[in-house]
Amino acid sequence: GESVGLHLPTLSVQEGDNSIINCAYSNSASDYFIWYKQESGKGPQFIIDIRSNMDKRQGQRVTVLLNKTVKHLSLQIAATQPGDSAVYFCAENVGSSGSARQLTFGSGTQLTVLP
Amino acid sequence: KAGVTQTPRYLIKTRGQQVTLSCSPISGHRSVSWYQQTPGQGLQFLFEYFSETQRNKGNFPGRFSGRQFSNSRSEMNVSTLELGDSALYLCASSTGEETQYFGPGTRLLVL
Repeated sequence: GESVGLHLPTLSVQEGDNSIINCAYSNSASDYFIWYKQESGKGPQFIIDIRSNMDKRQGQRVTVLLNKTVKHLSLQIAATQPGDSAVYFCAENVGSSGSARQLTFGSGTQLTVLP
Repeated sequence: KAGVTQTPRYLIKTRGQQVTLSCSPISGHRSVSWYQQTPGQGLQFLFEYFSETQRNKGNFPGRFSGRQFSNSRSEMNVSTLELGDSALYLCASSTGEETQYFGPGTRLLVL
């Protein structure tokens, strides 16, 4: 079946450096993508989203890039901080507005910020 | 606004028992989705309810069921528990359109 997958299971970065987390998706019908952050013992926390009619969206210290040609998403975190250490998931939302939707998640990337 | 709440946070059951988990969505949100998270399978979609109707269902056996009440609160039930049902069960709410906000989850351990 269609799935969303991550390129790297772990990523270690020095505090203050930028982080880039990648994600590949396979469902060409997906029109909405979300990045979540999950800390140990907590539920996934919404970070940023992007619609398929955009190729870039910026938030506070985070940027999501979408390349529909190669079905690739990336999450860039600027000036990574110790509090950014967590598992990051990309998710694709399949379905059209007003109809049933479900999230398909990637396997996650463990980001570790080194002092 | 208060976030998504789930009760109980932790639960221990034995094989063959049944369990009911509860989720209260963010005020004003009419859609509630349930996910199962395990180390081996990751996050998997169970089902979604909107205005008391199940709109979508994932690939789980019929032992997994749910419902939604008129106040948008939702429950999921797992009958005849198996060891493999041990997982973190996550509830997410949304307005029904796109962005889903997750609760802290219920950690279920089946012995």
